[in-house]
Amino acid sequence: DTAVSQTPKYLVTQMGNDKSIKCEQNLGHDTMYWYKQDSKKFLKIMFSYNNKELIINETVPNRFSPKSPDKAHLNLHINSLELGDSAVYFCASSPSGTGELFFGEGSRLTVL
Amino acid sequence: DAKTTQPNSMESNEEEPVHLPCNHSTISGTDYIHWYRQLPSQGPEYVIHGLTSNVNNRMASLAIAEDRKSSTLILHRATLRDAAVYYCILCNNAGNMLTFGGGTRLMVKP
Repeated sequence: DTAVSQTPKYLVTQMGNDKSIKCEQNLGHDTMYWYKQDSKKFLKIMFSYNNKELIINETVPNRFSPKSPDKAHLNLHINSLELGDSAVYFCASSPSGTGELFFGEGSRLTVL
Repeated sequence: DAKTTQPNSMESNEEEPVHLPCNHSTISGTDYIHWYRQLPSQGPEYVIHGLTSNVNNRMASLAIAEDRKSSTLILHRATLRDAAVYYCILCNNAGNMLTFGGGTRLMVKP
């Protein structure tokens, strides 16, 4: 069983489009995250949710809107895609306060 | 945010020990030191973490300096499957880790 699963794994789209990436965890964790990994391999946190409530929003453009329908899901919706949004997006979850993150396999977004 | 500094890359021979250093001179008293690794085309994977004392688990050992301004991840016998980027990150007591740094790319030679 995959602990943290993301879909789609690959996404190629045109500038200006709107797209979503879904994430689900079956670990029973309270906290979920979205990270962005750029071409230089730096992995930067975008959002953190705890029990469906937004905890961290790290100066991400408001074109990015996370949605957590329940504590097992954290989806990422991106409006008006730009070339600079091309990256690998990782979802992660953790038991609250432990700092031990469980990552998904990543979703590679390419904006043309 | 407290930051970490790691060498860009290191090389090791298979079945030899590897010591991966990390400097975190601005660490605060409540920051935990975490290590993750990322294999090619995969998400990061938790390796080990500690606060003040040295830690051992089935994957690695973590040696933390007495002043906590540096730490070393020790792989006791490197295998080809250990070739990855190793990240040293500080985590506050709320469990928040903000940014993974550039990490150290470990190359293991047969």
